[in-house]
Amino acid sequence: AQSVTQPDIHITVSEGASLELRCNYSYGATPYLFWYVQSPGQGLQLLLKYFSGDTLVQGIKGFEAEFKRSQSSFNLRKPSVHWSDAAEYFCAVGRIIQGAQKLVFGQGTRLTINP
Amino acid sequence: DAGVTQSPTHLIKTRGQQVTLRCSPKSGHDTVSWYQQALGQGPQFIFQYYEEEERQRGNFPDRFSGHQFPNYSSELNVNALLLGDSALYLCASSGGTEGVTSGYTFGSGTRLTVV
Repeated sequence: AQSVTQPDIHITVSEGASLELRCNYSYGATPYLFWYVQSPGQGLQLLLKYFSGDTLVQGIKGFEAEFKRSQSSFNLRKPSVHWSDAAEYFCAVGRIIQGAQKLVFGQGTRLTINP
Repeated sequence: DAGVTQSPTHLIKTRGQQVTLRCSPKSGHDTVSWYQQALGQGPQFIFQYYEEEERQRGNFPDRFSGHQFPNYSSELNVNALLLGDSALYLCASSGGTEGVTSGYTFGSGTRLTVV
């Protein structure tokens, strides 16, 4: 069965520093990959997605992610974080099963920003 | 353009009771998926509805049931509530088969607390 692993449960970075959140997936075929962000008490907002083409994808809020098939990874990056980036970040794999689509999420990484 | 609307936002129920959660999809979307997000965890797929039928179901007991109406809105019903059902319940909508490639639109969720 497919799975998504986010090795870091909690990361703290200083405002203005660079950020990389790790995501590894287990899936036999070319996956549909997503990063979502969730602010406290809120739903999920899509940051970016990948399913084909250029392996470096740009998203909203200055985020980007790189798909590396050889490493089964889809890490999220941002060159300079802002205090408003503090949130929970989820990596997800999309699958189509018997005509229905579902997302399989990782456990999430909580990002704290130090001023 | 309204996004995904969920009601109520918060709910407290007693163990053994039944609960109904509601979701109105984003305008133009006809597919609704429900996810359960326990505290500190990533969302888990419950089921998906399309054309008023359940298309796919995750690993949840029959106490969890749903319905989709002709206007594409949906309900999630949980019977015989357990303490472990306490979670944030998220509704996600998409258009037809686009969800996996385009990403879903999530609502802000219903926070269910079972006491």
